[in-house]
Amino acid sequence: GAVVSQHPSRVICKSGTSVKIECRSLDFQATTMFWYRQFPKKSLMLMATSNEGSKATYEQGVEKDKFLINHASLTLSTLTVTSAHPEDSSFYICSASRQARDTQYFGPGTRLTVL
Amino acid sequence: AQSVTQLDSQVPVFEEAPVELRCNYSSSVSVYLFWYVQYPNQGLQLLLKYLSGSTLVKGINGFEAEFNKSQTSFHLRKPSVHISDTAEYFCAVSDSNSGYALNFGKGTSLLVTP
Repeated sequence: GAVVSQHPSRVICKSGTSVKIECRSLDFQATTMFWYRQFPKKSLMLMATSNEGSKATYEQGVEKDKFLINHASLTLSTLTVTSAHPEDSSFYICSASRQARDTQYFGPGTRLTVL
Repeated sequence: AQSVTQLDSQVPVFEEAPVELRCNYSSSVSVYLFWYVQYPNQGLQLLLKYLSGSTLVKGINGFEAEFNKSQTSFHLRKPSVHISDTAEYFCAVSDSNSGYALNFGKGTSLLVTP
């Protein structure tokens, strides 16, 4: 149990376009989902925390208008990178937990490359 | 504010040798502690966690960790490593002040060679 999927696993897009990444909890209901960004050979940096039915809470320095997060159901959260630029290229990883304080289960990640 | 320090960025070790990956943390409140493993181009897999209770925690793949409150440490150990243990290992901490979001260390790259 506790499987989290992400789609797509890899995406290449042109500069200026928007990209949507989906994060799904497949076998449990996730009240809370987290979005992280990982640069090459670096640790994970928390971008935002989303609770089902509420607005996401963004970490300092993360542009909420650029990284749109929606958590409309207990099994799905989406991250939309709007007007993507090459500096947005990164590995984006989501995690999901039944409750905020519970164990987080991670998705396999999405590799975004902006040309 | 909480913080996590992984003291070693890289740890080379021979197959079947023991290994310890070090992790220290700081927090003003009670913490939850985790170790995750990441294989290349993959997400994170939970190895083990400490929430409360016994300070010696056993996880998957033969790993264990000991929570030491006085030394604010949560070192990861394995008595005999395999080639397949080669990966990036992340220590993470969460607490109520952070909304239980995970704060990760910078990671330790474990390289197991024959």
